[in-house]
Amino acid sequence: RKEVEQDPGPFNVPEGATVAFNCTYSNSASQSFFWYRQDCRKEPKLLMSVYSSGNEDGRFTAQLNRASQYISLLIRDSKLSDSATYLCVVNPVDSSYKLIFGSGTRLLVRP
Amino acid sequence: EAQVTQNPRYLITVTGKKLTVTCSQNMNHEYMSWYRQDPGLGLRQIYYSMNVEVTDKGDVPEGYKVSRKEKRNFPLILESPSPNQTSLYFCASTAVDTGELFFGEGSRLTVL
Repeated sequence: RKEVEQDPGPFNVPEGATVAFNCTYSNSASQSFFWYRQDCRKEPKLLMSVYSSGNEDGRFTAQLNRASQYISLLIRDSKLSDSATYLCVVNPVDSSYKLIFGSGTRLLVRP
Repeated sequence: EAQVTQNPRYLITVTGKKLTVTCSQNMNHEYMSWYRQDPGLGLRQIYYSMNVEVTDKGDVPEGYKVSRKEKRNFPLILESPSPNQTSLYFCASTAVDTGELFFGEGSRLTVL
């Protein structure tokens, strides 16, 4: 079993739709969690950190479920510019240097 | 502007011909790392460095070397490249206070 698993997609949704991705992780002791966005042929960039209490940034909401060992990303009112691959990232220990990346979920937003 | 710069961005080489991919950051970060990205496998860490002269292996270090003689630079060395090292490579530096990784634009390497 992979340490971090994501549905590769693609998720194909119309503009304005709400879409949600989940990501499961295997190490129950994992400390911190992130969502990164990666555009085609570009470098990943931090979208948001995921806190235990959940957090929201505009149209984006991230949540953590420690009991079931998954994190989620909800995108409301999808825009064409949201089309990208979303990477789930887990820090299994309290260290800056040991991040585990999921393979990513691809989102396509159509007009 | 805060950035991580890698070179070359694209390279086609042949088996066995030594090459170096340079990486430089201007954010005074202590922690830097190298990743490779392959379809279906996600980003995998090759090497990391916690500070000058301090480096250690990541998950897939075979066939690679690194050095950290200065804080800003962290080159990746392929002494004898092989076709299985054909990949997209990213250098990253980490802001320790937030844990955020800042990636370079990537270096697409093809080994024939």
